[in-house]
Amino acid sequence: DGGITQSPKYLFRKEGQNVTLSCEQNLNHDAMYWYRQDPGQGLRLIYYSQIVNDFQKGDIAEGYSVSREKKESFPLTVTSAQKNPTAFYLCASSLGRNTEAFFGQGTRLTVV
Amino acid sequence: QKEVEQNSGPLSVPEGAIASLNCTYSDRGSQSFFWYRQYSGKSPELIMFIYSNGDKEDGRFTAQLNKASQYVSLLIRDSQPSDSATYLCAVSKAGTALIFGKGTTLSVSS
Repeated sequence: DGGITQSPKYLFRKEGQNVTLSCEQNLNHDAMYWYRQDPGQGLRLIYYSQIVNDFQKGDIAEGYSVSREKKESFPLTVTSAQKNPTAFYLCASSLGRNTEAFFGQGTRLTVV
Repeated sequence: QKEVEQNSGPLSVPEGAIASLNCTYSDRGSQSFFWYRQYSGKSPELIMFIYSNGDKEDGRFTAQLNKASQYVSLLIRDSQPSDSATYLCAVSKAGTALIFGKGTTLSVSS
């Protein structure tokens, strides 16, 4: 089955702790994206990557970091510098420029 | 001015009616336009995309694009209760990621 897999589905983070959200795709897509969604809000762009070993900041990159060492993988680290990390995190991928993006099932992160 | 704007709703229509969802965007360089449906607690799923001015139909869904007015809409014919969801409009241009509106909540009553 081709698709985008995010893990874990639910994640709990203690104050001051870094956590990494996994995103893997087997669609052979070049571009991958991370979005954050808060209750009742749209999707806000955190980071995106058009090709391996390259990525760009989105509108809300502060407190987050990413890597793109493989085409299939685009993990997101939520650092302790992100003061309000509780949200629904969505990973997406697309073939490339201006093409439709497909989403994973999301990771719901909660600070405890 | 926000890049992509949608009325948050809720938009309420009776079963069998036409639901009309609207979206405006600010960047005239935008080239691609997308509609996603998101059920509560789930991730967005693509409904339609449109690149050229005019209408594009797919089953009960019609996307309409007017680049001169910077306006894109989604019509849902014969609305069903299962269409009740939040509809997200997204736009993109070359080399950038999709930018989303906040979404319009649609409620279809039986």
